[in-house]
Amino acid sequence: GAVVSQHPSRVICKSGTSVKIECRSLDFQATTMFWYRQFPKQSLMLMATSNEGSKATYEQGVEKDKFLINHASLTLSTLTVTSAHPEDSSFYICSVQTSRDTLDEQFFGPGTRLTVL
Amino acid sequence: AQSVTQLDSHVSVSEGTPVLLRCNYSSSYSPSLFWYVQHPNKGLQLLLKYTSAATLVKGINGFEAEFKKSETSFHLTKPSAHMSDAAEYFCVVSEGTGNQFYFGTGTSLTVIP
Repeated sequence: GAVVSQHPSRVICKSGTSVKIECRSLDFQATTMFWYRQFPKQSLMLMATSNEGSKATYEQGVEKDKFLINHASLTLSTLTVTSAHPEDSSFYICSVQTSRDTLDEQFFGPGTRLTVL
Repeated sequence: AQSVTQLDSHVSVSEGTPVLLRCNYSSSYSPSLFWYVQHPNKGLQLLLKYTSAATLVKGINGFEAEFKKSETSFHLTKPSAHMSDAAEYFCVVSEGTGNQFYFGTGTSLTVIP
């Protein structure tokens, strides 16, 4: 398996500011990480696939200029919510897939709760 | 197209009684199926997975699930509920194309003492 951490676990910011969320794979070099978003009492929705050394792949309807993803190393991917607004308040979760078998499980971080005032 | 339907948004059981959380899926290919559990303020934890091996899959904490292709179902069961089982449970399907994980809407399990 893989141990995945996220920082911060909670963040509160004012509307219009930018927030950076870090996702670290502590014991596995991950060429691919995933970013999900979970609204209260709803399911997880994939936002983007983060690829080390290249551009992220965004899902339909996700604004790439608003949700900036950087995967500069094999153990770190960052998600920056730019010019955050209250509707961006959500639970953001990253995950790692350790196997090249894309049918295999993903290992999830503990999530970051973002509240935009 | 692929999708996951969790038939119950909320399930309540008494401690010591069986648990059944239902999941149906649709998939164009031979999927992998997973059950994850999410405790409050904690990350998602894998309970079990089906990846085209045995159709009856045993997971952690006494949970198991049976893959029934004819019924397109992957229901999660446990013979005897514990208080610590109270959490949100997600059924997930992956077809292996593009690394996509498709989550069901979740089932909240309450265990009554």
